[in-house]
Amino acid sequence: DTAVSQTPKYLVTQMGNDKSIKCEQNLGHDTMYWYKQDSKKFLKIMFSYNNKELIINETVPNRFSPKSPDKAHLNLHINSLELGDSAVYFCASSRYRGDGQFFGPGTRLTVL
Amino acid sequence: KNEVEQSPQNLTAQEGEFITINCSYSVGISALHWLQQHPGGGIVSLFMLSSGKKKHGRLIATINIQEKHSSLHITASHPRDSAVYICAVEASNYQLIWGAGTKLIIKP
Repeated sequence: DTAVSQTPKYLVTQMGNDKSIKCEQNLGHDTMYWYKQDSKKFLKIMFSYNNKELIINETVPNRFSPKSPDKAHLNLHINSLELGDSAVYFCASSRYRGDGQFFGPGTRLTVL
Repeated sequence: KNEVEQSPQNLTAQEGEFITINCSYSVGISALHWLQQHPGGGIVSLFMLSSGKKKHGRLIATINIQEKHSSLHITASHPRDSAVYICAVEASNYQLIWGAGTKLIIKP
C-alpha cells in the first residue's frame, strides 16, 4: 500500500490555467506538507497543515492555495499558472510536527 | 552563506567503501533530518535526530548539537546506495531548511 500518494505524476499545462495536485496519506498522520523543488534541487516548504489548521505558510504567492477536506488529504490548487511555477512538487506527512516525514513520489509540473 | 551546508557535493566511491557525508548548520534547531532522493525523484526519510546517534541497517547518523554538525555514514556501500542525500534542519519556528544535497555514486 502506498503511504503517501500524489496525482497526477506529470502535469503539462498552458500559462494562465488553473490546476490542482492531490495528495493523500493512509498513515493516520496529523501533519501534511507541500514542498517545491527548484531547478537547483533545493526543497522549499510551501505549506503545512496540522489537523486542518495551516501552521506554516512561507512567502508563497497567493495564487497557491492548500485545501484539506480531511486529515488524510492536502490538495494544492494553483491559479493563473506562470512559467516559473514549473517544478517538481512533493507532498509529505508526519505523525506530528517535528516527527520524521514520509514523502510522496512528486508531481512534475510543466507550464508552457 | 547557506544556513545548512553539506559536504561533499559529489562523492564517487567503490562498492564496499565506508561513506561519510557531513552536514553543518548555523541556526538553532529542534531536529535534523537525513533524506535520500533516488534518481527517479522519490524521497525517503532516513533519520530524524535531535541528539546522539541512530542506526538503521548499514546506515548510521550522528549529531553534535554543540558543534552544530551531523554526519551520515554508510558501511559496506553498495551500488543501490547511489542517490542524493539531503540534510534538512527544523528551525525553532518549525521552518524546515534544506541543504543542497550530496550526490553519491557507488561503482561496482
